[in-house]
Amino acid sequence: EPEVTQTPSHQVTQMGQEVILRCVPISNHLYFYWYRQILGQKVEFLVSFYNNEISEKSEIFDDQFSVERPDGSNFTLKIRSTKLEDSAMYFCASSEQVWVAFFGQGTRLTVV
Amino acid sequence: ELKVEQNPLFLSMQEGKNYTIYCNYSTTSDRLYWYRQDPGKSLESLFVLLSNGAVKQEGRLMASLDTKARLSTLHITAAVHDLSATYFCAVDMEREYGNKLVFGAGTILRVKS
Repeated sequence: EPEVTQTPSHQVTQMGQEVILRCVPISNHLYFYWYRQILGQKVEFLVSFYNNEISEKSEIFDDQFSVERPDGSNFTLKIRSTKLEDSAMYFCASSEQVWVAFFGQGTRLTVV
Repeated sequence: ELKVEQNPLFLSMQEGKNYTIYCNYSTTSDRLYWYRQDPGKSLESLFVLLSNGAVKQEGRLMASLDTKARLSTLHITAAVHDLSATYFCAVDMEREYGNKLVFGAGTILRVKS
């Protein structure tokens, strides 16, 4: 069964460093998303991406964040200068149509 | 702004018992999802409810959607330990390009033997 895959599963980084979280969406999907979940809290929408551009972003998704689809298969989330409060589980998701998003297994980001 | 409220936030129940988790939301939507999350794991899709009156069942779990009341329920029948997890409802804010899920806070379910 097709699935969304994310790498790495866990990343530890120093505060102020840049991180790139990677995702391979399901191959025929057209819509891509990033969500995050701070430990013990609810899942929050960060950004949606369609046709090589951001279609919507939340207030969390400030100038420190960027997304890119560098080739036909990968979808990345970059955090330019990480802060302690960026520590969270980051989920990538994709959908073929405008619903039924499939989530990846997540990347746990720890900023120290 | 769409608000999604789940209750209870924590549920401890005995095996064999029945219970219902409620998900209320504050604006019109015809699409609601239920997810299960085990500790440290991803979100597993349980149910997709796409219209008023939709009812879906899988094993000991049954989900329903009342769009007029802006309410979805997840009913657990004869709970077993394996159902212990966190359950999230998520309301779909339909967009022209893509969708945007707004999640509830989650219900931590612990089933005791």
